[in-house]
Amino acid sequence: SQQGEEDPQALSIQEGENATMNCSYKTSINNLQWYRQNSGRGLVHLILIRSNEREKHSGRLRVTLDTSKKSSSLLITASRAADTASYFCASSGGSNYKLTFGKGTLLTVNP
Amino acid sequence: DAGVIQSPRHEVTEMGQEVTLRCKPISGHNSLFWYRQTMMRGLELLIYFNNNVPIDDSGMPEDRFSAKMPNASFSTLKIQPSEPRDSAVYFCASSFRSQRGTETQYFGPGTRLLVL
Repeated sequence: SQQGEEDPQALSIQEGENATMNCSYKTSINNLQWYRQNSGRGLVHLILIRSNEREKHSGRLRVTLDTSKKSSSLLITASRAADTASYFCASSGGSNYKLTFGKGTLLTVNP
Repeated sequence: DAGVIQSPRHEVTEMGQEVTLRCKPISGHNSLFWYRQTMMRGLELLIYFNNNVPIDDSGMPEDRFSAKMPNASFSTLKIQPSEPRDSAVYFCASSFRSQRGTETQYFGPGTRLLVL
């Protein structure tokens, strides 16, 4: 099956709450990236974590990587209505150019 | 920088017609990707160019699809003849590939194609 499977498929929360999305992958990676896609738009890069890193922060985003479990999580703290979007993880493996995307988590933040 | 530019943004055509999608990558980027996104299959890589040369076209569905990159600032994806199952959003993305490999990809706004 496909690398970069996100979980859950959909998540609905209230503004101010934290949102956690998970991603699993199947083979060894060089890095793992998270992208956001607003409805009707292209994907926007959020954060990249390398295979030798375990945690990374960027503003309200926190990404963790567990290579032993082949999984990653994206935490958005203090969510806002503007965070409503689909979130995709993408793994970069041996070829170093190819990103394999999951099907995404649809996050809805209710005001 | 204007970002990755794609045209047209929307295309409605009839089965059997030729469709040409266009992409202008970010200046200075040496890698270009064409993706297709559908609800059923998610985001699929169709073809990857590095320094204007096609490196991996294993994702191109069949001979009806072709892609070119005549220079560093322009690429086309052509479908001839088009079929209803080609209906999807087609994205172009560009990046800079260094010794470390290709990292962040910058996506265009996409072309929403509907084949009737």
